[in-house]
Amino acid sequence: DTGVSQDPRHKITKRGQNVTFRCDPISEHNRLYWYRQTLGQGPEFLTYFQNEAQLEKSRLLSDRFSAERPKGSFSTLEIQRTEQGDSAMYLCASSLWDGQDGYTFGSGTRLTVV
Amino acid sequence: GDSVTQMEGPVTLSEEAFLTINCTYTATGYPSLFWYVQYPGEGLQLLLKATKADDKGSNKGFEATYRKETTSFHLEKGSVQVSDSAVYFCALRTAAGTALIFGKGTTLSVSS
Repeated sequence: DTGVSQDPRHKITKRGQNVTFRCDPISEHNRLYWYRQTLGQGPEFLTYFQNEAQLEKSRLLSDRFSAERPKGSFSTLEIQRTEQGDSAMYLCASSLWDGQDGYTFGSGTRLTVV
Repeated sequence: GDSVTQMEGPVTLSEEAFLTINCTYTATGYPSLFWYVQYPGEGLQLLLKATKADDKGSNKGFEATYRKETTSFHLEKGSVQVSDSAVYFCALRTAAGTALIFGKGTTLSVSS
């Protein structure tokens, strides 16, 4: 297992289009998190899953955003009707249980909405 | 609410200089504290952590001590190298919470 994988690395889309990102966590990690990072800022929490259950969503996660983790393994994050303000780096992380030992992050998907 | 405040960068140092990056936090209870590093073009990597007061986290020559009395977790390194150039993020995780809360990051640039 080589860590947390995210796909694609980069995505350019036109405003109004839908995009979907994928995250493959470390296989034995049961928790998976999505974060968003804009230039010059630290990552901001979006949502997290414990196995297949989505247990918490940030108020940053508008109705245009949806995340799934159908079998408790990989996860997808979909953004519908993209806006320019959605341009950011989307980071995925995973951890064992409560994350007291820290989270392992993927390299991220950079989204540019034009 | 819970928050992390880091010193603003960029921090520019010569090789072998001493490094301090200040980090203070606001949180209820007893949070766990972390330093993450992000090298250019790469993801966040856990650098070190401390889970209770007076704990010292250390890794790759970096150290940070969890000071509850001053609500601080300052990152230090005695002699920086050019390869340490990166963005450093301080983060906390409260006992009641699930998400890591990050500071804005401090850019370190080390020249030879």
